[in-house]
Amino acid sequence: DADVTQTPRNRITKTGKRIMLECSQTKGHDRMYWYRQDPGLGLRLIYYSFDVKDINKGEISDGYSVSRQAQAKFSLSLESAIPNQTALYFCATSTGPTRTSGSGYNEQFFGPGTRLTVL
Amino acid sequence: TQLLEQSPQFLSIQEGENLTVYCNSSSVFSSLQWYRQEPGEGPVLLVTVVTGGEVKKLKRLTFQFGDARKDSSLHITAAQPGDTGLYLCAGGVSGYSTLTFGKGTMLLVSP
Repeated sequence: DADVTQTPRNRITKTGKRIMLECSQTKGHDRMYWYRQDPGLGLRLIYYSFDVKDINKGEISDGYSVSRQAQAKFSLSLESAIPNQTALYFCATSTGPTRTSGSGYNEQFFGPGTRLTVL
Repeated sequence: TQLLEQSPQFLSIQEGENLTVYCNSSSVFSSLQWYRQEPGEGPVLLVTVVTGGEVKKLKRLTFQFGDARKDSSLHITAAQPGDTGLYLCAGGVSGYSTLTFGKGTMLLVSP
């Protein structure tokens, strides 16, 4: 069974539409992240959350919003999708340094990704 | 802003060859991680190195953290087609920070 799941896996939408990508995890990790991956640009952090009440912007948060509904759920929304948001989107989780398990180095566990195409 | 430069960007080799890929920065990191990403999947953690000069081995893969903790290398001995994928390095400044990812080295190993 997958520890980090993402839905949908593929999505094609039109410019101006509102889109939500969902992420769920069964790893019991406090920290969750949303990245996008573009050819030649690598993984870029959109938003991250170190616990349920904590939300932080990453390096490319413009045009995106997030919601941390529970420890296990972190969703990413595109309020009004535009073509340059076409990319692979990954959710990831990690433990924090206060946990007894894990090394405390933010070792990340990724979901399988969502391929989003905005026409 | 910490940056991680990976080289080469792309590497195409024959099965059985050895190779080394590099991850370099002008910044000091408290930890350096390597991930492998196969097509259609998310990155998977291979190793974390935390001590300057540290060497870790994972079967045919050897990872080294530079003495000054600014760079790292990944050496693969006798590459196999199953090693094909995108290799990403990622650095952390502390356990309370996020990770900085390099852009990756795409490795293609042909039979």
